[in-house]
Amino acid sequence: EAQVTQNPRYLITVTGKKLTVTCSQNMNHEYMSWYRQDPGLGLRQIYYSMNVEVTDKGDVPEGYKVSRKEKRNFPLILESPSPNQTSLYFCASRSYNSPLHFGNGTRLTVT
Amino acid sequence: GENVEQHPSTLSVQEGDSAVIKCTYSDSASNYFPWYKQELGKRPQLIIDIRSNVGEKKDQRIAVTLNKTAKHFSLHITETQPEDSAVYFCAAILRGGSEKLVFGKGTKLTVNP
Repeated sequence: EAQVTQNPRYLITVTGKKLTVTCSQNMNHEYMSWYRQDPGLGLRQIYYSMNVEVTDKGDVPEGYKVSRKEKRNFPLILESPSPNQTSLYFCASRSYNSPLHFGNGTRLTVT
Repeated sequence: GENVEQHPSTLSVQEGDSAVIKCTYSDSASNYFPWYKQELGKRPQLIIDIRSNVGEKKDQRIAVTLNKTAKHFSLHITETQPEDSAVYFCAAILRGGSEKLVFGKGTKLTVNP
């Protein structure tokens, strides 16, 4: 089944404790992206990647890192999480000029 | 800047009525416009999309219209049902190499039985 898989689905952590949210797609998509969703603000792009070893900042990149060492994986790294990064995160992927496929989301709480 | 404006932010209709959500975009080179539906606690899912070489596209009770000159596109849902209640997002793809998809802020649609 074609899908975007992100883990974990839920994560509660404390300020400053490094964490990684994994994202993997099995559709051989070139483009992958991370979004955060907050009430009233819609979906805001954090980082995106056009292909392996090619990443770029989205609209809200501060406090986040990404890597794209393999085509299928695009992990999101929070080196020192803060409470304002409490949010619902979505990973997504697509091929050129085709619809975006979203993962099931990761609800992160930073206390 | 590059953005997509979406209106209204909330919409309440009676079952059986039509619902219309409108979006405007700023990048005249945009050529792909998807609409996503997000039910509570779930991921956004594509419901319909349109490309700039087409003015209208229909899929059962859902249709999308595009006016390239005015840079706006709209989602039309006819004969609404309670299961249409969700948040709907429009989006436009930016040109210029980044292939960035920019989303509107969403419309919360409530269909009252």
